[in-house]
Amino acid sequence: QSALTQPASVSGSPGQSITIPCTGTSSDVGSYNLVSWYQQHPGKARKLMIYEVNKRPSGVSNRFSGSKSGNTASLTISGLQAEDEADYYCCSYVGSVTLVFGGGTRLTVL
Amino acid sequence: QLQVQESGPGLVKPSETLSLTCIVSGGSITTENYFWGWIRQPPGKGLEWIGSMYHSGSKYYNPSLRSRVTISGETSKNHVSLNLTSVTAADTAVYHCVRQIGLGSWAFDYWGQGFLVTVSS
Repeated sequence: QSALTQPASVSGSPGQSITIPCTGTSSDVGSYNLVSWYQQHPGKARKLMIYEVNKRPSGVSNRFSGSKSGNTASLTISGLQAEDEADYYCCSYVGSVTLVFGGGTRLTVL
Repeated sequence: QLQVQESGPGLVKPSETLSLTCIVSGGSITTENYFWGWIRQPPGKGLEWIGSMYHSGSKYYNPSLRSRVTISGETSKNHVSLNLTSVTAADTAVYHCVRQIGLGSWAFDYWGQGFLVTVSS
């Protein structure tokens, strides 16, 4: 399976909202509501931010939300804060007991 | 707070077996509804799911690696192990131990920092 497509970088100013798209195909993102998003700060372990497209794990700020339309999933961060500056990765189930990940997006808070 | 730490040899020779251990603290690998597994990332490349296991014995592997991989749990030590046989340079990667939220969600709520394994003679 080909990797999911994410922009290499996005940026926004404090207080703004940004959206990170994750584009797949009708065989992965388009077929399953099993998209997850992960945040990684430099030198830190990845953290689950969203699962099953739009569910937030306990402890994750409600400024983070997920959605999906067709073959594209999106992570939206509202009220951008300096601490949100990190790398973000998406992941989708593709059937046949396997997964595909995106290449990651570097979020810069200006 | 659950903590996950990978360990093992950092250098493995081609054709040999890569063996890593994931030491879990602050929680049990037998917690109901949680799976444990491994994900890797070769240098400069994307993440690849290797496989996951449940403490009762169910195991699920990436079809592309299934013939070479075994994931097992040592409940008495609260460890999860990864064995990958017949390695080549393509298996050089950072290997992460992960906890999976049930089989159906295909999401990973705890990740280890990762452990670099280099395959080289």
